[in-house]
Amino acid sequence: EVQLVQSGAEVKKPGESLNISCKTSSYTFTDHWIGWVRQMPGKGLEWMGIIYPGDSDTRYNPSFQGQVTISADKSISTAYLQWTSLKASDTAIYYCARRGSYGLSFNSFDIWGQGTLVTVSS
Amino acid sequence: EIVLTQSPGTLSLSPGERATLSCRASQNVDSNYLAWYRQKPGQAPRLLIYATSSRATGIPDRFSGGGSGTDFTLTISRLEPEDFAMYYCQQYDRSPRWTFGQGTMVEF
Repeated sequence: EVQLVQSGAEVKKPGESLNISCKTSSYTFTDHWIGWVRQMPGKGLEWMGIIYPGDSDTRYNPSFQGQVTISADKSISTAYLQWTSLKASDTAIYYCARRGSYGLSFNSFDIWGQGTLVTVSS
Repeated sequence: EIVLTQSPGTLSLSPGERATLSCRASQNVDSNYLAWYRQKPGQAPRLLIYATSSRATGIPDRFSGGGSGTDFTLTISRLEPEDFAMYYCQQYDRSPRWTFGQGTMVEF
């Protein structure tokens, strides 16, 4: 069974750095793009960016460019979302999601992680 | 940037009834690039429909999608208890960029 398992909830202070992870299993990691999606409390879904682990090609939503960094480690089939200086407004649930296979499902996200709650508060 | 507007905001129905959810785009969307997700409370979204009308793996046939251009629809033919949830449409453009609608809540 294909799975994306995310790291646990985090509580951080403004200005701190953070790295959350998304470990994948049961498929070839380098064959599928992995995206990150934000969901602020009580709100909808926002696409943040996406990475192709095969060559680390990374694309960002302009709204998140420069605010976060997306990376991947092929050796352990894991994608990451990183902040260098958190703000209270970064409080949200963050989901990783696998882009579908080439073909009709390619432009949707077919498998999702369980989400990581990030709370930023002084 | 293409903006997706979902309606209604909330749909109040009973189990066994038919639900029709709308997603309107601010510009034409390629029908291969329109998807629908269901999000139950406290859970991650789940892909229901991709490419406007193709059901994702394991999705029952009570879910169907349709539409073209700027108007798309998700229909649930007979609501089951697990279908009372939030639904999002999503589109892709070649920037690349994915955008989601604001969601429709189906409540009992």
